[in-house]
Amino acid sequence: GDSVTQMEGPVTLSEEAFLTINCTYTATGYPSLFWYVQYPGEGLQLLLKATKADDKGSNKGFEATYRKETTSFHLEKGSVQVSDSAVYFCALSDHGGGSNYKLTFGKGTLLTVNP
Amino acid sequence: NAGVTQTPKFRVLKTGQSMTLLCAQDMNHEYMYWYRQDPGMGLRLIHYSVGEGTTAKGEVPDGYNVSRLKKQNFLLGLESAAPSQTSVYFCASSRNEGTEAFFGQGTRLTVV
Repeated sequence: GDSVTQMEGPVTLSEEAFLTINCTYTATGYPSLFWYVQYPGEGLQLLLKATKADDKGSNKGFEATYRKETTSFHLEKGSVQVSDSAVYFCALSDHGGGSNYKLTFGKGTLLTVNP
Repeated sequence: NAGVTQTPKFRVLKTGQSMTLLCAQDMNHEYMYWYRQDPGMGLRLIHYSVGEGTTAKGEVPDGYNVSRLKKQNFLLGLESAAPSQTSVYFCASSRNEGTEAFFGQGTRLTVV
């Protein structure tokens, strides 16, 4: 079945540091890939997405590239801010190969950015 | 635009009590989902629906039932609450497969 594996947290960085959160996936069909962000006490919000191989999703300085050959969708940001402190979830939506089109999430990575 | 609205936001139940969580979306989305979020476990899918009148089991369906009588509403029921069901519950909806999901603000449920 489908699965998403993302790096264990927590991740603690200083402001303006470079961020990478690794995400790899297993899917039977042709997945779309997503990164969601959850700020304290809130629901999940879509951060960025990519729907096919080699697509790059980007938003708010974050970016991730859909790599089919390595089944990866790593999240990066060149210079993090305190306001980026949140939990980040990698997710996939599979829509082919007999799947049921449901979203599958990784376990989340807590990021804390210190001033 | 309200998006996805969950009620209630907080609830405390005694073991054995029943309750229904309501999810409403105003985006005319076909797909709706119920997840639970527990520390260290991420989001786990309880049940989902791919259209009005349809439901399907997710990865942790035991102890829960759902109904999708109207396209805009997706109800999650607990017939006999157990302490293991203490969690934060999130509802989400999406237009169709491969598109992003929109989430509600969550319901924090404590079973004592």
